[in-house]
Amino acid sequence: DAMVIQNPRYQVTQFGKPVTLSCSQTLNHNVMYWYQQKSSQAPKLLFHYYDKDFNNEADTPDNFQSRRPNTSFCFLDIRSPGLGDAAMYLCATSRGSQPTSEQYFGPGTRLTVT
Amino acid sequence: AQSVTQPDIHITVSEGASLELRCNYSYGATPYLFWYVQSPGQGLQLLLKYFSGDTLVQGIKGFEAEFKRSQSSFNLRKPSVHWSDAAEYFCAVGADTGRRALTFGSGTRLQVQP
Repeated sequence: DAMVIQNPRYQVTQFGKPVTLSCSQTLNHNVMYWYQQKSSQAPKLLFHYYDKDFNNEADTPDNFQSRRPNTSFCFLDIRSPGLGDAAMYLCATSRGSQPTSEQYFGPGTRLTVT
Repeated sequence: AQSVTQPDIHITVSEGASLELRCNYSYGATPYLFWYVQSPGQGLQLLLKYFSGDTLVQGIKGFEAEFKRSQSSFNLRKPSVHWSDAAEYFCAVGADTGRRALTFGSGTRLQVQP
């Protein structure tokens, strides 16, 4: 089945230690998104790629970076994680970025910062 | 900028009872409205969406939603709830200008009593 895969499902990192979360998709969608979802809150968009074009949300901290080496893969890099970065990180994809484009979500990676 | 309000943080219903989850949006033009469901530890799954046309839309798992422009609402309904419906439900709005990302409400957690 075509899907969005996130690895790992659970990640523990130390305060200030760089961490990378990964997302892959078999849907061949050209748009990939990263959302941050803190406990009992709505998902909040960090950034998205339209093909190779990177689009950063205005309020996304510089501590968060992303890479998309090819259509299938996208990475979220947190350069110096703080305790406030503990959250569920959701990857999503869509075919096109029209408002009618359905977004397909992966299962998420839960990040713990110790 | 668009916004979404889900007034009910937590709802408990008995299995077999009817369900209505409320969603109010704020957006100047015609909104693109979505309902997503998130089971524990999982990503988000699209239940249904409204773009135009018939204001009563049918979705998966027996859910439906009604768009009421006069009330700026897009409430989700199900006539008979099953225990497997226990999850977090998110209403979201998409825009057709500028920022293309979804704006999510804060979610409603549904608990189903036997």
